[in-house]
Amino acid sequence: DAGVIQSPRHEVTEMGQEVTLRCKPISGHDYLFWYRQTMMRGLELLIYFNNNVPIDDSGMPEDRFSAKMPNASFSTLKIQPSEPRDSAVYFCASSPGTGNRFRQPQHFGDGTRLSIL
Amino acid sequence: KQEVTQIPAALSVPEGENLVLNCSFTDSAIYNLQWFRQDPGKGLTSLLLIQSSQREQTSGRLNASLDKSSGRSTLYIAASQPGDSATYLCAVLNQAGTALIFGKGTTLSVSS
Repeated sequence: DAGVIQSPRHEVTEMGQEVTLRCKPISGHDYLFWYRQTMMRGLELLIYFNNNVPIDDSGMPEDRFSAKMPNASFSTLKIQPSEPRDSAVYFCASSPGTGNRFRQPQHFGDGTRLSIL
Repeated sequence: KQEVTQIPAALSVPEGENLVLNCSFTDSAIYNLQWFRQDPGKGLTSLLLIQSSQREQTSGRLNASLDKSSGRSTLYIAASQPGDSATYLCAVLNQAGTALIFGKGTTLSVSS
């Protein structure tokens, strides 16, 4: 089975530009999570969805960040405008809908390494 | 606020050695604790999940223990191999099941 697929794998762009990260969760998984990983702060949850609906976006750092899930097989994380401090690895993960969203192991994509110059 | 600490941050051992990775958390009111492996340039892979009512879980050469009252967990790796080289992260799920908090990981290097 295909795992969680993220694109692009690497993104380098200049400050002020719009950045869009993409994620395709595992088919049949009802939960989708977006994380950010930095050396300083480790892995942090940004937002998660259940059945395409955003449930908790309290981890989204600023209004410059937005996430959508238009259907069960696709989600985007957008940063507009981007800033150098947004440089990080962004992970998408999905999990089955059985029980509490965090009580099932999450399956992670390989991440998008984002560099804002 | 829950904080998860992993010590050491890095560890180097020769092949064949048994080793222990440590994880501590400040709030003992957890629902479960999970150990993940992260390879360079890759996402996280779930290794073991211990429910708060359990004391340990085993998978192959891996054994994870949980002492909720003292806020500690250990990941024991038996007969380490070069293929075990990776970063190992632990994460705790709060009792309400609303937040999964990660440690910063221990980077393990096993030399042949």
